Amino acid sequence: NAGVTQTPKFQVLKTGQSMTLQCAQDMNHEYMSWYRQDPGMGLRLIHYSVGAGITDQGEVPNGYNVSRSTTEDFPLRLLSAAPSQTSVYFCASSSPGLLNTEAFFGQGTRLTVV
Amino acid sequence: TQLLEQSPQFLSIQEGENLTVYCNSSSVFSSLQWYRQEPGEGPVLLVTVVTGGEVKKLKRLTFQFGDARKDSSLHITAAQPGDTGLYLCAGAPGGFKTIFGAGTRLFVKA
Repeated sequence: NAGVTQTPKFQVLKTGQSMTLQCAQDMNHEYMSWYRQDPGMGLRLIHYSVGAGITDQGEVPNGYNVSRSTTEDFPLRLLSAAPSQTSVYFCASSSPGLLNTEAFFGQGTRLTVV
Repeated sequence: TQLLEQSPQFLSIQEGENLTVYCNSSSVFSSLQWYRQEPGEGPVLLVTVVTGGEVKKLKRLTFQFGDARKDSSLHITAAQPGDTGLYLCAGAPGGFKTIFGAGTRLFVKA
């Protein structure tokens, strides 16, 4: 039982490069989210999706794009990487209901932009 | 703006001591979650509290939801080195956007 799988685990980018962080879940969860975690700031929501074909912005969406073509996958695209995007990125999934905030997280992608 | 304020930010204690960490907000939450995160890993859900005044126990961990559903606490009895980690509270003040507190980093010395 894989749960939420994120790839890659580590990545170094040069300023201006683009890349896609992959996230896949095998729990048939409708809700998926992307967070970034920076020291002293907890997790901040970047984008989220409540189902295939539906996405919305979180607290810090600038510089990131998402799409949700299937229930299982929710990739995060960095269009033109900046040093301010150096962070640890987490993907999470959850199922709908009263307690839809009970999330399962991937192991994270540590991104460095130089 | 951090809607969920956690305190203390950092706690270093000896094995066997008791401790309490807090999660406070000016907003009302329908539920709050507590997660624990270890280095290099994603957060793992510990508990969800739903009803105002609710108390939940998970072995040596006791979680309480405030009567007004604006705050929560986590009490650990007889802390052990295995309790070391980052403790995060989270909730959705409205809709689907879940927010997290900045966390309490706990270090338990043997």
